[in-house]
This record gives sequence, structure tokens and C-alpha cells, in this order.
Amino acid sequence: AQRVTQPEKLLSVFKGAPVELKCNYSYSGSPELFWYVQYSRQRLQLLLRHISRESIKGFTADLNKGETSFHLKKPFAQEEDSAMYYCALNTNAGKSTFGDGTTLTVKP
Amino acid sequence: EAGVAQSPRYKIIEKRQSVAFWCNPISGHATLYWYQQILGQGPKLLIQFQNNGVVDDSQLPKDRFSAERLKGVDSTLKIQPAKLEDSAVYLCASSLGTSGRVGEQYFGPGTRLTVT
Repeated sequence: AQRVTQPEKLLSVFKGAPVELKCNYSYSGSPELFWYVQYSRQRLQLLLRHISRESIKGFTADLNKGETSFHLKKPFAQEEDSAMYYCALNTNAGKSTFGDGTTLTVKP
Repeated sequence: EAGVAQSPRYKIIEKRQSVAFWCNPISGHATLYWYQQILGQGPKLLIQFQNNGVVDDSQLPKDRFSAERLKGVDSTLKIQPAKLEDSAVYLCASSLGTSGRVGEQYFGPGTRLTVT
């Protein structure tokens, strides 16, 4: 069965510092990987997906199949980045699995 | 476009009572998901529909939970009877895709259930 692991429950950085949220997965097939974000008092929403290879709000994530990782990175964190971040995986059959999330706090 | 709608937003019940949640997905989205999110954990998939058929319900506690998707649109999730450990946020999500690559999910605001 597939699995998504986010090793850090809490991550705290200062404004302007680089940030990396880790995501490791296990799945024997070819996964679809996503990062979702939940800001305070808002619903869960998509931040980015590995297929599109885009940068959203300064965040990027690269799929590393060798290390089975999909870490989320931003070179200069902003206070408005403080939120809960979830890594998620879709299998070839479309089944979805989420990690337990990382709470990011960006301090002024 | 209108987002995923859920009701009620909050519900408090006593153990052994029953409760039902309703979800209206984004128009045209074939796939609908129900998740249970316990405090401090990520969303756990309970059931996934594609149109009105069940794709995956392997983590649905079928002795007390049931779900249906009428005419491939709205969906209801029911718990009967509720237990204390069912206290959680129940999230509904929908996605456009079918047949494997279902793509990104759009989430509703969730229903916070408290069982006392």
C-alpha cells in the first residue's frame, strides 16, 4: 500500500530565511504528487503538483524518484506562508493518500 | 465557479446517536471523496466515488459508516451509531478526472463533528 510521510510536524523559520518541507513516499507505481496548503480559517487548497513543474507563491517542489521524495522549497519565507502543509499522493488507480502535515510558522 | 459545499458546518451529538453529512461537489466533477481528519493528523480517505460508483471504500468502517452518491452528484455520509472516536472533521472533496489520473482535489469547508 502507498504511504506518505512528512517527518516534521512543526517547522519554524524567520522571515527571509529559506524553508524546506520534507515529503517522502512509498508506492510501487508512478505517482501523482501534490502539495496542499491550509491557511488559518480557510479550506484545504492545492498549492502545486509535480506534473506542472511550476512555481506557486515562490514555492517549488521536485519529484526525486530515486529518493522517493517530493520536498517543498522556498528560498525566502514570508510571514503569509505560515500555514499547514500537506503532501499527497495519487496512485495510478486514482486513490489518494495524505501525509499528516507540517505546520510552518514564519517569524518576523 | 462555485466551490464544494458541505453541511452542516458543526454538529454535536451524543454517542450512539446517528448523524448525516451532505456534500455538493463542483459541477461536472466525476470523482468525489470523503475524508476523516482527526486532530493532528492528515485527511484519511473514507470513500471515493467515480460518478455514482464506489472506487475505494477500504478504510470505511462499514459496520457504522455508510455513504451514497445520488445520481452521481450530491453525496451523503452517515454514521450510525456514533462513537467517541468519531469526533473529527469530515471533509468532502471533488476532482474532475476519471479513470486513474484524477488530478487535483477541491475541498469543502468540512463538518466538525463532536461526539460526547
